Amino acid sequence: EPEVTQTPSHQVTQMGQEVILRCVPISNHLYFYWYRQILGQKVEFLVSFYNNEISEKSEIFDDQFSVERPDGSNFTLKIRSTKLEDSAMYFCASSDGVADEQFFGPGTRLTVL
Amino acid sequence: QKEVEQNSGPLSVPEGAIASLNCTYSDRGSQSFFWYRQYSGKSPELIMSIYSNGDKEDGRFTAQLNKASQYVSLLIRDSQPSDSATYLCAVPIQADGLTFGKGTHLIIQP
Repeated sequence: EPEVTQTPSHQVTQMGQEVILRCVPISNHLYFYWYRQILGQKVEFLVSFYNNEISEKSEIFDDQFSVERPDGSNFTLKIRSTKLEDSAMYFCASSDGVADEQFFGPGTRLTVL
Repeated sequence: QKEVEQNSGPLSVPEGAIASLNCTYSDRGSQSFFWYRQYSGKSPELIMSIYSNGDKEDGRFTAQLNKASQYVSLLIRDSQPSDSATYLCAVPIQADGLTFGKGTHLIIQP
């Protein structure tokens, strides 16, 4: 069964460093998403991406964040200068339609020291 | 601010009984609704989607939607210990980014 994959599973970085989180969405899906979940809190939407551009973003997704689809399979989230409060699980998701079922990857645990 | 509300629990249900999970949402214009299951330390796993008023059944799971009252529920029949998890209700925000509730922690007692 097709699934969303994410790498790395755990990333440790120093405050102020740049990190890139990687995702491979389900192959025939066209809509891609990033969410984050701070420990003990709810899952929060960051950004959606369709047709090589951002279609929607939340207030959390400020200028420190960017997304890219560098090739036909990968979808990345870059955090330019990490802060302590960026420590969270980051989930990638994909779907084949707007407001359709979204399937989540296993997540990347980001720890900022 | 568009909100999705759930009782955080824990909700404790004996094995074999029916677990009933509820969710309310603030945006009257919402058209699609999703239930996810999340085990501790894992990612959300899609359980059910529902788009129309009424019931939708899939195996031991039934989703119920009442748009007039702005609530959606999930019933789990013949509850098993493996159903013990946090159940997340999710609704698309403006376009397709999902707003999640805080989740209901369900415990199935053997």
